Amino acid sequence: GAVVSQHPSRVICKSGTSVKIECRSLDFQATTMFWYRQFPKQSLMLMATSNEGSKATYEQGVEKDKFLINHASLTLSTLTVTSAHPEDSSFYICSARELGRLAGLTQYFGPGTRLLVL
Amino acid sequence: LAKTTQPISMDSYEGQEVNITCSHNNIATNDYITWYQQFPSQGPRFIIQGYKTKVTNEVASLFIPADRKSSTLSLPRVSLSDTAVYYCLVAPPTDSWGKLQFGAGTQVVVTP
Repeated sequence: GAVVSQHPSRVICKSGTSVKIECRSLDFQATTMFWYRQFPKQSLMLMATSNEGSKATYEQGVEKDKFLINHASLTLSTLTVTSAHPEDSSFYICSARELGRLAGLTQYFGPGTRLLVL
Repeated sequence: LAKTTQPISMDSYEGQEVNITCSHNNIATNDYITWYQQFPSQGPRFIIQGYKTKVTNEVASLFIPADRKSSTLSLPRVSLSDTAVYYCLVAPPTDSWGKLQFGAGTQVVVTP
């Protein structure tokens, strides 16, 4: 089956620094990737939709200048948390929709990245 | 996107069948119903998807009544490893979409 990887799996950083999280589709091409955030004991919250070669679309309430998304190729999307603060500590998950597959049908999720900001 | 409602939690014993019902009263004609499973500190995993009637795979069955306003995920003979959160999602397959809105999910706890 289709595999999506994320790197790093967990990261600890100091407040004020920036952190980059990579999301890769390993055996398929993804025109669209999605970024979610999940706080403990809560559900996944969609942050943004990332389309290859174009600007990301952010959900209401998500700061685009703080969460920079780049989708430079059909297999890679990156999320950069700029000037991270302790409240940004969360579990970040990406998902990818395979090129040619109809949207809304099967999406493949990455294993997630645990971010802890001290 | 249609809103979904699921029980917050369900408890079961090993070997029993677990049925989780999801309500989606505002489901649209072209919406599909998808179920995901999530273990702690992992990304969601696709379980099953359907449009109407019954769908079965090696993991679960999905029952969808004629009015499609609800659906039931059936997990046969659960084991301890089936302890997870299960999410029911409804979304259309058109290319202009693709966004998935996760509800609270159902925490299933399987005990010996």
